[in-house]
Amino acid sequence: DAGITQSPRYKITETGRQVTLMCHQTWSHSYMFWYRQDLGHGLRLIYYSAAADITDKGEVPDGYVVSRSKTENFPLTLESATRSQTSVYFCASKSYNEQFFGPGTRLTVL
Amino acid sequence: QQQVKQSPQSLIVQKGGISIINCAYENTAFDYFPWYQQFPGKGPALLIAIRPDVSEKKEGRFTISFNKSAKQFSLHIMDSQPGDSATYFCAASSPETSGSRLTFGEGTQLTVNP
Repeated sequence: DAGITQSPRYKITETGRQVTLMCHQTWSHSYMFWYRQDLGHGLRLIYYSAAADITDKGEVPDGYVVSRSKTENFPLTLESATRSQTSVYFCASKSYNEQFFGPGTRLTVL
Repeated sequence: QQQVKQSPQSLIVQKGGISIINCAYENTAFDYFPWYQQFPGKGPALLIAIRPDVSEKKEGRFTISFNKSAKQFSLHIMDSQPGDSATYFCAASSPETSGSRLTFGEGTQLTVNP
């Protein structure tokens, strides 16, 4: 399937556990992004990547780690999950000015 | 620091009415202003976008009005339909930032009653 996919779609974890959210795109877009969506805050940028092996912090990077060894994949890792990281996470890729979003991962940290 | 302020947070409109969502920005380097539409359980999708060299852009029932001097832009949805019920995000980007990454407003949840 063409497009951008995220897995898992839903995840429940416990405080202190490591969690990795996966993102895969089939277009070979150079830029990819991770956002979190929380009520009243809109979409906030966590990390972004300009190309394979090039990543940079966004607005709210604390507690998150990213990697990008291949153009098509951009995983996001919560090294030690906290309750404040309960959120909906969206991955996106960019073509020219338009960002294409995945379906999101709803993460609950107990 | 929130550079794009969006209002209202929620909006209820009757079918056939006009929905208006407003955004204000601070960074004068912003040169691209898109609106994204998000249905429940889905990711946001680009709806319409404008650049500051024009004051208005219309696509079907959706219109962006842009006021550069006031640093404000708004989305107007004419003849609103129940299928327009969604969350709408305004955003802005600057060529000065790497990747021209977007700064989003807080979102507006629109409900169109039949």
